[in-house]
Amino acid sequence: AQSVTQLDSHVSVSEGTPVLLRCNYSSSYSPSLFWYVQHPNKGLQLLLKYTSAATLVKGINGFEAEFKKSETSFHLTKPSAHMSDAAEYFCVVSESGNQFYFGTGTSLTVIP
Amino acid sequence: GAVVSQHPSWVICKSGTSVKIECRSLDFQATTMFWYRQFPKQSLMLMATSNEGSKATYEQGVEKDKFLINHASLTLSTLTVTSAHPEDSSFYICSAAHPGLTSNTGELFFGEGSRLTVL
Repeated sequence: AQSVTQLDSHVSVSEGTPVLLRCNYSSSYSPSLFWYVQHPNKGLQLLLKYTSAATLVKGINGFEAEFKKSETSFHLTKPSAHMSDAAEYFCVVSESGNQFYFGTGTSLTVIP
Repeated sequence: GAVVSQHPSWVICKSGTSVKIECRSLDFQATTMFWYRQFPKQSLMLMATSNEGSKATYEQGVEKDKFLINHASLTLSTLTVTSAHPEDSSFYICSAAHPGLTSNTGELFFGEGSRLTVL
C-alpha cells in the first residue's frame, strides 16, 4: 500500500536561508515521487519528479530533492528561500502511474 | 510541457442551479483524469477518478448524483455540480494523468482550478 507523510504542516524560514520540506513515503514497489507547489487560488505546478533515474533530482526555481530508499524519504530543499517561494507544497507518490497519493501539504512562509 | 486547461476559473451561481466545470488536456490524451475538492488551507480531497469511456469511480462519501462526471473523450472530462447549495462552494481542481514513456513515468498535470461560489 502506498502512503505519503509530510512531517511538517507549516514551515517558516527567513528570506535567503535554506528550505527543507520533509516527505516520507511507504510503497511496496519502486515508486515515482513528485513535489508540487500551489500558490493561493491556483492549481498545482510540478516542481520535480523522481522516476528511478538519478536519486538527486533538480527541479524548477532552484529546488531539488533526494530520493533515499533506505530512509523512504524524498525531502525537498532549496539553498536560499525567496519571497516568491511562499506557497503550499505537496509530496505525491505513485506506483502505477494511474493512482497518485498526496501528502497533507506543507505551508511555507518566507519572512523578509 | 503538458497543459491542462480548466474552465471556468470562477463561477458564482444561485442555489439550486447546476454548474459544469470542464477539464481539458491540451496536448496529450488522458485516459484518466481526477477531480479534487479543496477547502481553504487544506490538502486536496480526491472526489473521483474519471476514466474515458466508462463510469467514474467515486471516493467514499462523495455523492455521485450530486457530482456528475463525464469523460466522453480522451481530452475532456466534465464535473457537473447539480442543484448546487452554499455548502458546495469550494475550489475544485482537475488533473490529468500523462502516460509517460512507461507506466512508472506517468505524472499528473493540474488545471488551474475552479472556484465555485453558491449564493
